[in-house]
Parts: sequence; structure tokens; C-alpha cells
Amino acid sequence: DTAVSQTPKYLVTQMGNDKSIKCEQNLGHDTMYWYKQDSKKFLKIMFSYNNKELIINETVPNRFSPKSPDKAHLNLHINSLELGDSAVYFCASSPWRDYYEQYFGPGTRLTVT
Amino acid sequence: LAKTTQPISMDSYEGQEVNITCSHNNIATNDYITWYQQFPSQGPRFIIQGYKTKVTNEVASLFIPADRKSSTLSLPRVSLSDTAVYYCLVGDPGHGSSNTGKLIFGQGTTLQVKP
Repeated sequence: DTAVSQTPKYLVTQMGNDKSIKCEQNLGHDTMYWYKQDSKKFLKIMFSYNNKELIINETVPNRFSPKSPDKAHLNLHINSLELGDSAVYFCASSPWRDYYEQYFGPGTRLTVT
Repeated sequence: LAKTTQPISMDSYEGQEVNITCSHNNIATNDYITWYQQFPSQGPRFIIQGYKTKVTNEVASLFIPADRKSSTLSLPRVSLSDTAVYYCLVGDPGHGSSNTGKLIFGQGTTLQVKP
């Protein structure tokens, strides 16, 4: 049983396209996150949702829009993709009180050509 | 905003104890310190968390001095399978109003364990 799953695992697309990455967790957590990891392994938080409410919204282009249809899902939509968006995107979840113990998904490697 | 600084890389040999230090001079009162481990092509995995003094679990120990401006992850008797990137995370999720929570990862320390 996969705790935090992401689809797709790999995503190759051209500049200017719009794409989505889906994330689902079956841990019963009420908080979910999106992180971006670049080629130098820097791991930066992008968004955090608690009970479908946006809690953390780091300085990311507004081309990125998270959507949380329910507590178990947090999807990431990216419009007008650019070369610099190429990275690995990780979804994570945690209980609100134990935010420090986050469970990460396997990552989605996005390549923009 | 608590920025963190870690060594970029460290080498060790099997059976040795490894200590990785993270500096976080601007840590806030509500911030906790957490360490994660990441293997290639996988998401980070929680190792240990603490607020002050010393915390120990089955895989590691975390030492935090009284001023909390740094923390040290200690891995006893490492093996080849401990070769990974280790991240120090300092933050507070924020409570109440939106956009007040900040979670900052360090740049990670690549630990290479040699036979």
C-alpha cells in the first residue's frame, strides 16, 4: 500500500504547454505539501494545504496553482511551462500537529523541452 | 526566517560514527528542527526531530545546544546503506492566518560511506 502516491512519475513536455501532477495520500493526514527539487538538490517548499486551506504559499510564479479537492488529494497545475520549471516535484503529507514528520511521495520528474 | 547551513559533503567508513552539523542562527522560538534522509530517485524520509537538548531514536541522535543556533545529527556505526543526502529542516507550519508558516530545508549534506 503506497502511503503517498504521485502521477505521473515522469513528465516530458514542451515549453508553453499546461500540465498537471496528481498527489494522493491514504494516511489520513490533514496537511499536504508540494516541494520542488532542482538539479543541485535544493529542496524548496512551494505550497502547503491544511484541510483544503492554503497555509504556505512561497514565492512561486502564478503559473503554478495547487488545487485540493479533498484532504487526501493535492494536485499541482502548471500553465505555460518554461525550461526553468524542469525539476523533480515532490508531494508530501503530515498530520497538522506533527508537521515535522512528513511523508513524501516518490517524486515526479518534469522535463520541459 | 531561519536559514540553514550544512556541509555540502562528508565521507566516512563503515562502522564509524558520523556527525553532521546544521547551523540555523535565526531560529525562531516556535521552530522545531528535523532531519531527513534522501536516497537517489526517492522522496526524503523522516529521521528525527527535536526542539532542544538531546533526542535519540533507533536510528540516530540529535544534539541541540541551549542557544539552538545549531544542531548535530549523529549516526552511530554507519553502513554502506547510509550513503544518502541528509537535510536539516527548521520551521514552523504557521497557525491561524494563511501564509505565515515557513519550512526551510538546508542544501543537504551528501554522505558517502566507504567500505
